[in-house]
Amino acid sequence: GIQVEQSPPDLILQEGANSTLRCNFSDSVNNLQWFHQNPWGQLINLFYIPSGTKQNGRLSATTVATERYSLLYISSSQTTDSGVYFCAVLEIRSTLGRLYFGRGTQLTVWP
Amino acid sequence: AAGVIQSPRHLIKEKRETATLKCYPIPRHDTVYWYQQGPGQDPQFLISFYEKMQSDKGSIPDRFSAQQFSDYHSELNMSSLELGDSALYFCASSLVRQGNTYEQYFGPGTRLTVT
Repeated sequence: GIQVEQSPPDLILQEGANSTLRCNFSDSVNNLQWFHQNPWGQLINLFYIPSGTKQNGRLSATTVATERYSLLYISSSQTTDSGVYFCAVLEIRSTLGRLYFGRGTQLTVWP
Repeated sequence: AAGVIQSPRHLIKEKRETATLKCYPIPRHDTVYWYQQGPGQDPQFLISFYEKMQSDKGSIPDRFSAQQFSDYHSELNMSSLELGDSALYFCASSLVRQGNTYEQYFGPGTRLTVT
């Protein structure tokens, strides 16, 4: 199956700082999603972004499909941004199948 | 907007017992997926159904079975539970029919603890 690598594995920030999370994938994809898993375990959909750039408030994401990577930007971070950020992809040969997840980036934002 | 519903949200079982997890997809979605997330791990795909037929299968133990019913809800049945089955179980749904985005929407998860 497709390989998904996320970096950095851990990130510690002070409130107000900006950050960039990276997701590399090993093959062409039909779907790329970014999720935030909060301390209660819920997976929150952040972006569906197989290509291009999207913005939602303080968060934005860019996927360069031809180079097989995606970036998640968090600006002016807040303590509520803490949690694990997952990138997940659906390989291009599949439409009905599974998402492959990266191992995630654990973000901790201190006040 | 309606979301994916999972029940129960929390479940405690003893070893060798049986558990049934339920998932109600977003209305009009035609595909349901099940994922298992162990402590400190990323979610791992178990099984999926498209229009009530199994469409993909991951590393799902033989002790587990699942199905999708005529109303599109799905159930994951887990027998002879082991301590290692303790995990967060997510259900997701999507609308795959023509021209759609393949985006998967996740439910809140069922936290299963096996003692």
